Amino acid sequence: DGGITQSPKYLFRKEGQNVTLSCEQNLNHDAMYWYRQDPGQGLRLIYYSQIVNDFQKGDIAEGYSVSREKKESFPLTVTSAQKNPTAFYLCASTGSGNYRYTFGSGTRLTVV
Amino acid sequence: GQQVMQIPQYQHVQEGEDFTTYCNSSTTLSNIQWYKQRPGGHPVFLIQLVKSGEVKKQKRLTFQFGEAKKNSSLHITATQTTDVGTYFCAGPRGSTLGRLYFGRGTQLTVWP
Repeated sequence: DGGITQSPKYLFRKEGQNVTLSCEQNLNHDAMYWYRQDPGQGLRLIYYSQIVNDFQKGDIAEGYSVSREKKESFPLTVTSAQKNPTAFYLCASTGSGNYRYTFGSGTRLTVV
Repeated sequence: GQQVMQIPQYQHVQEGEDFTTYCNSSTTLSNIQWYKQRPGGHPVFLIQLVKSGEVKKQKRLTFQFGEAKKNSSLHITATQTTDVGTYFCAGPRGSTLGRLYFGRGTQLTVWP
């Protein structure tokens, strides 16, 4: 079955450490997105990529970085510059001409 | 600033009661999507509305898109405990196809 896989499901890191969240899809979707979810805040866009080797900042890109070297993969790095990284991170993708989001199951990051 | 407003933020109902969540945009939307997120889960696509005044039904769920394409609603008739979760509306943002702006969601609790 096609879908989006995010790993790990839970991640704990010490303050000041960079951490990379994995997002892989086998839907042959061109566009991929990273959202952050905090209680009562809804979903906020961090980065998105419409095509391989290209990506754009979303609303809250500061302290985050991404790469899109392969169509299937869109990893997100949470750097030490992100002031409040503890959150639920969701990766999503959309196919060409169909803008229904398919979400991964998310990664819950806790920084201590 | 936020372009898609969703109310209420929380709704608690007795099983069997009806439930409605409302979504309003400051600008005309080409389409609007609705998603459901179960507790501890990820958002799942429910429906997309495209036409002015469109009404779509999925069993006990009724979705409406306003005549001016600036507002939308989701109504659930005779709620069940399986309806528990957070319901999000989302509209396209800017000229970049596929980028969505999510409302903050309405968290529905259903008491048996």
